[in-house]
Amino acid sequence: KAGVTQTPRYLIKTRGQQVTLSCSPISGHRSVSWYQQTPGQGLQFLFEYFSETQRNKGNFPGRFSGRQFSNSRSEMNVSTLELGDSALYLCASSLTTYRDTQYFGPGTRLTVL
Amino acid sequence: AQKITQTQPGMFVQEKEAVTLDCTYDTSDPSYGLFWYKQPSSGEMIFLIYQGSYDQQNATEGRYSLNFQKARKSANLVISASQLGDSAMYFCAMREPGAGNKLTFGGGTRVLVKP
Repeated sequence: KAGVTQTPRYLIKTRGQQVTLSCSPISGHRSVSWYQQTPGQGLQFLFEYFSETQRNKGNFPGRFSGRQFSNSRSEMNVSTLELGDSALYLCASSLTTYRDTQYFGPGTRLTVL
Repeated sequence: AQKITQTQPGMFVQEKEAVTLDCTYDTSDPSYGLFWYKQPSSGEMIFLIYQGSYDQQNATEGRYSLNFQKARKSANLVISASQLGDSAMYFCAMREPGAGNKLTFGGGTRVLVKP
C-alpha cells in the first residue's frame, strides 16, 4: 500500500506570493491533517479535514487555508507569504477518526525569501 | 502550560544499548492517546508506538516499548538494542477526545547512536 505522498517536496517562494501544497492520503483514509514544523515553534497543528469538511483548526491566521476533495486528497494554501512561513509542512492521514493512528508524508519544505 | 514535555533535548547512546526517552503530559480528560514518532533527517515522521489511556498493558512494538505510568502522567519510550539507524529526532504526541485527529507534540529528543 502506498504511503502518504506530498507534492512538491521543496518549494522556494518570495514574500507576498501564495503557495499551494498537495497531499494524497493512504488509500482508504478519509482524514487528512496538516502540521507546520519550524525550529522555533516545533510541530503545530494547522487543520484537519474529514469527508471534505474542516473538522478542526489550529491557531493560525486566515492566510492559511485548506480543502479536501471527494477522493480525500487535500490541498493547503498560504497566501501573502511571510518570511516566518518558511517551514516543513507535514500532512498526515488516518482511516477515520480519533482512535486511528496518523501516518505522515515526507513533507514539503517551503522557503520564503 | 505545556501539554507534552520532553525534557531531554539530546542524548548519545552506545550501539546495542537500551535508551529511555522521557515524556510527560498534561490533560484532564480520562480518555486520551499517546504516540511516539521518529523523524530522521529526511523529515518524514514515522509512527512507532501507541498507548491508549485505558490500555491495561504497556504497548510494545518490536524493539520499542512504552513505559506508561498513568498516575505520574508519563509515557517514556524505551528503545532496546540501539542501532545506528535509530539516530533521529523522537517526538511524543497526545491526542485528546473532542479534538478530532489533532496531535499535540512535545519539543522532541535528538538521539545519536554511537558505534
